[in-house]
Amino acid sequence: GAVVSQHPSRVICKSGTSVKIECRSLDFQATTMFWYRQFPKQSLMLMATSNEGSKATYEQGVEKDKFLINHASLTLSTLTVTSAHPEDSSFYICSARPNGAWTEAFFGQGTRLTVV
Amino acid sequence: SQQGEEDPQALSIQEGENATMNCSYKTSINNLQWYRQNSGRGLVHLILIRSNEREKHSGRLRVTLDTSKKSSSLLITASRAADTASYFCATDGSSASKIIFGSGTRLSIRP
Repeated sequence: GAVVSQHPSRVICKSGTSVKIECRSLDFQATTMFWYRQFPKQSLMLMATSNEGSKATYEQGVEKDKFLINHASLTLSTLTVTSAHPEDSSFYICSARPNGAWTEAFFGQGTRLTVV
Repeated sequence: SQQGEEDPQALSIQEGENATMNCSYKTSINNLQWYRQNSGRGLVHLILIRSNEREKHSGRLRVTLDTSKKSSSLLITASRAADTASYFCATDGSSASKIIFGSGTRLSIRP
C-alpha cells in the first residue's frame, strides 16, 4: 500500500528553538496533506491543511505564525514549530491522500516532540 | 475541531468476547474510516465504508453505517490480547477532503 514517511520520529529540543518535521508521500502525489496534533490519551486534532503551491489552511485556534507549514512539492510538506515551548510537546502526525482518489488517507508514523 | 463522539470512551473485555464501539458524527460524509492506534504509535487503517454502504466486513471486523442517524459501529469478534489499543472513527466530509477524527475508544482485552 501507499506509504507516508514522517521524520523525525522523536525530537527533543530546548525552549525557544524551532523544530522542523517532514512528511513525504513515497509512492504517490498529494496536492493536499494534513497535520494533526495529539495530546496523551486524546484524539487527533486537525491543525491545518497543507496545500501544494499555496498557503496552508489553519483550523480555528491554531496559530499560523507558530506552526509554519510549507508544501513545496507534490510529495513533501513540512511543519515547523517555531519558538517551541513545553506546552507544544505533543505527538504530531501527518497524512496524505493520493490525488484524485476518494480512498483511505495514509498516515505518517508520527513525531513525538518534547520541549525542555 | 472534532467531528463527533465515540462511545464508550473505554472498554475492558475478556479475551474471546466481542467488542463493539460506536461513533456519531455531525455533518454529511463521503465515507467513514476506522483506525487503530497502539499506545504512542502511529495509526493503522482498519476499514473504510462509503456513505452508500451500510455494512462492511474485514476478517474479524464488522462495520456498520447509518447515515440517517449519523452513526457507525465497529465490531471486533473473538477479541485477542493484541487488539488492545485505541480505536478512532474518522469522517471524510462531502464538502472538503479533510479527515476529522472522533474522540476514540480505549479498548483493553483481559487475558
